[in-house]
Amino acid sequence: DAKTTQPNSMESNEEEPVHLPCNHSTISGTDYIHWYRQLPSQGPEYVIHGLTSNVNNRMASLAIAEDRKSSTLILHRATLRDAAVYYCIREWGGSEKLVFGKGTKLTVNP
Amino acid sequence: DTEVTQTPKHLVMGMTNKKSLKCEQHMGHRAMYWYKQKAKKPPELMFVYSYEKLSINESVPSRFSPECPNSSLLNLHLHALQPEDSALYLCASSQGRTWTEAFFGQGTRLTVV
Repeated sequence: DAKTTQPNSMESNEEEPVHLPCNHSTISGTDYIHWYRQLPSQGPEYVIHGLTSNVNNRMASLAIAEDRKSSTLILHRATLRDAAVYYCIREWGGSEKLVFGKGTKLTVNP
Repeated sequence: DTEVTQTPKHLVMGMTNKKSLKCEQHMGHRAMYWYKQKAKKPPELMFVYSYEKLSINESVPSRFSPECPNSSLLNLHLHALQPEDSALYLCASSQGRTWTEAFFGQGTRLTVV
């Protein structure tokens, strides 16, 4: 049971920002939120992770709600290479389990 | 080197065959994982090895047998598989018990005939 909820699909235009939402209303205080993406015919790829504060890296930003029940992955300028399935994953309190939810398929239009 | 290498890339096997999938990493990671992914579905966790010991088995049938001969290598031995076991098998590794950043291989595409 992944215990995260994401929209099945989203569309964006190239060079526009994309906000990918994730709901994790039952999250506990020590659970990290991770985002991975899977490009066609490839293994999943780490994007970003966070606990409470917003996080930025070279790929994306992660905005975590103050109550931690939801988060948003932000791609600042979508490119065609960002077309992938994006998985929001709740890490269970330091466990070794990384359980994937259904993910959001992102389509980027030229 | 931030790669997880899986071999073979493709494998076709009969239901009576015995075969093995191999996964290798040289990042010094101490946790390694096997996932199974069916078409258009998310990866499903099968096994977790931590410091070369099996720590999680997600109730996987015994026809799948994992092995971790050393900290860099992970095998998945296959025997008497069924056609429904056809899938993409993904290996991943991470530094240890906490998931800071996991690296995935490209997977082995397995077809059971």
